[in-house]
Amino acid sequence: NAGVTQTPKFRVLKTGQSMTLLCAQDMNHEYMYWYRQDPGMGLRLIHYSVGEGTTAKGEVPDGYNVSRLKKQNFLLGLESAAPSQTSVYFCASRLTSGTPYEQYFGPGTRLTVT
Amino acid sequence: AQKITQTQPGMFVQEKEAVTLDCTYDTSDQSYGLFWYKQPSSGEMIFLIYQGSYDEQNATEGRYSLNFQKARKSANLVISASQLGDSAMYFCAMREANTGNQFYFGTGTSLTVIP
Repeated sequence: NAGVTQTPKFRVLKTGQSMTLLCAQDMNHEYMYWYRQDPGMGLRLIHYSVGEGTTAKGEVPDGYNVSRLKKQNFLLGLESAAPSQTSVYFCASRLTSGTPYEQYFGPGTRLTVT
Repeated sequence: AQKITQTQPGMFVQEKEAVTLDCTYDTSDQSYGLFWYKQPSSGEMIFLIYQGSYDEQNATEGRYSLNFQKARKSANLVISASQLGDSAMYFCAMREANTGNQFYFGTGTSLTVIP
């Protein structure tokens, strides 16, 4: 039981390059989330999904796209990376029922855009 | 307006002492949940404790307790008998019923436990 995994763990991109971050969970969770964490800013929600085939925007969605083709996977895409997207990206998932509804987090992906 | 406010960027506590980390929240919902997460230097996010808005008793989980004052909209985390391993960033978060799928996080408090 791996929980929530993220691929890759580290990545360096040049401005304008594209990439996809993969989040996978093996807990049969319906909800999945992508956050970014910047120094002094806490975690900010980028996009989330309430089930296979559905996605929705969070607090800071610009410059990112997501897809949830399979229940266990949630992909975050950067079409044209910018230095402002240098951050640590966290994926999380949770159940839809049964308190406390806490999120289970992946280990994070550290992305640097030069 | 900030949904979650953590006003203590950094805190120090002596080993074996108790420490309180402050969190205030802003919501007009009657139904919401409050969470605390720990992030050690290794980077992972660890769930610590949860308080539902309708829970009358303060939540406790081992050495962690949540001092929930609904009228003041505060949800402070109390760590008793601090240990060196408690040194980490601590984040307060909220989930509202009317935006039930989203979580809002504070900016965090860095706790250092001094031997």
